[in-house]
Amino acid sequence: EAEVAQSPRYKITEKSQAVAFWCDPISGHATLYWYRQILGQGPELLVQFQDESVVDDSQLPKDRFSAERLKGVDSTLKIQPAELGDSAMYLCASSLDPNYGYTFGSGTRLTVV
Amino acid sequence: QQQVKQSPQSLIVQKGGIPIINCAYENTAFDYFPWYQQFPGKGPALLIAIRPDVSEKKEGRFTISFNKSAKQFSLHIMDSQPGDSATYFCAASLETSGSRLTFGEGTQLTVNP
Repeated sequence: EAEVAQSPRYKITEKSQAVAFWCDPISGHATLYWYRQILGQGPELLVQFQDESVVDDSQLPKDRFSAERLKGVDSTLKIQPAELGDSAMYLCASSLDPNYGYTFGSGTRLTVV
Repeated sequence: QQQVKQSPQSLIVQKGGIPIINCAYENTAFDYFPWYQQFPGKGPALLIAIRPDVSEKKEGRFTISFNKSAKQFSLHIMDSQPGDSATYFCAASLETSGSRLTFGEGTQLTVNP
């Protein structure tokens, strides 16, 4: 079964450092999402791509977060500088047709110390 | 307007019991209502979904009941098993918003043997 690949699985970083996460969606999926899930809560959308274009980044803290999907395939989410409140699971998801659900990766667990 | 409220926060049942998880939404324009199952250390996985033109959908042991007038929907798990122990999230999306999912807060289900 096809999967959304994410790396690293775990990341510990110090406050004010830069950190980056990578996502490789299921082949052929044009829509890619980055969600943030704080422990004990539901995921919240950070950014949505359609191919290489940003469709929705209204909830992305743009002063410190950036996301790109240069060739419309894999994607990178960056945080600079990291803050203690950024500790969370960062989930990537992709979809062939968003109206019929999408597939999440296993996420990157970020701890900022 | 975009919130989805989920209850209960946690639920414990015996094997064979029928746990019921409830969600309520505010935005009447939502047109897609999925349920996701999440195991520790994994991303959410789509379990079952419904659209507002039907009142019930069943897939295996999982059933969604949908009440459009009350703006509520619920997940029923028939003949629950210890392997069903996980966190369950309801969600809702609006096609014209690019299908961004708004998630509930989650319900941690424990099925005792």
